[in-house]
Amino acid sequence: NAGVIQTPRHKVTGKGQEATLWCEPISGHSAVFWYRQTIVQGLEFLTYFRNQAPIDDSGMPKERFSAQMPNQSHSTLKIQSTQPQDSAVYLCASSDRLGGAEQFFGPGTRLTVL
Amino acid sequence: GQQVQQSPASLVLQEGENAELQCNFSTSLNSMQWFYQRPEGSLVSLFYNPSGTKQSGRLTSTTVIKERRSSLHISSSQITDSGTYLCAMERSGGSNAKLTFGKGTKLSVKS
Repeated sequence: NAGVIQTPRHKVTGKGQEATLWCEPISGHSAVFWYRQTIVQGLEFLTYFRNQAPIDDSGMPKERFSAQMPNQSHSTLKIQSTQPQDSAVYLCASSDRLGGAEQFFGPGTRLTVL
Repeated sequence: GQQVQQSPASLVLQEGENAELQCNFSTSLNSMQWFYQRPEGSLVSLFYNPSGTKQSGRLTSTTVIKERRSSLHISSSQITDSGTYLCAMERSGGSNAKLTFGKGTKLSVKS
């Protein structure tokens, strides 16, 4: 079991460029979560999927951020027109069911927007 | 206000001393987890502990759902225990599977 896989581990973009972050959940897990961590805000929820369907995106910024889960083996978080305030560590997690289940986290992607 | 209050914010120990980390929750919770965050940022799940007491080696987690609190006890601390410890809760009710995190306790163990 390789655990949750996230790529790339580090990404540097220029202001205004697009960034796509990838997550591969643990095989067989039906729920996938995205979080981000900054020094100021701490670790905060962005969005999650169950069986590939979006369930709650209440933590996602309304503009420029989008997430998809095209199949059970991966999810993407896309940030358009990146801004310096988007710099953060983006963490993906998965669990074997939605609610009342342990979440397992990937190593994260450190995004730096210059 | 903050839904998850974690204390202390930082803690310095001499190797061999014990530590008690606390989390208090302002809402009813369905479950909670304790994590250790490595220096490079990755999260290691220490305990998934909806209620009661769980032990793993020198670590013990106790969650009292009715009192909306959880603690992490580290016995005989070692230098390698240094790092940031985070607690997170899953609120009860509705489709609240997302975790809400505390701000963390930064632990430093010195020789």
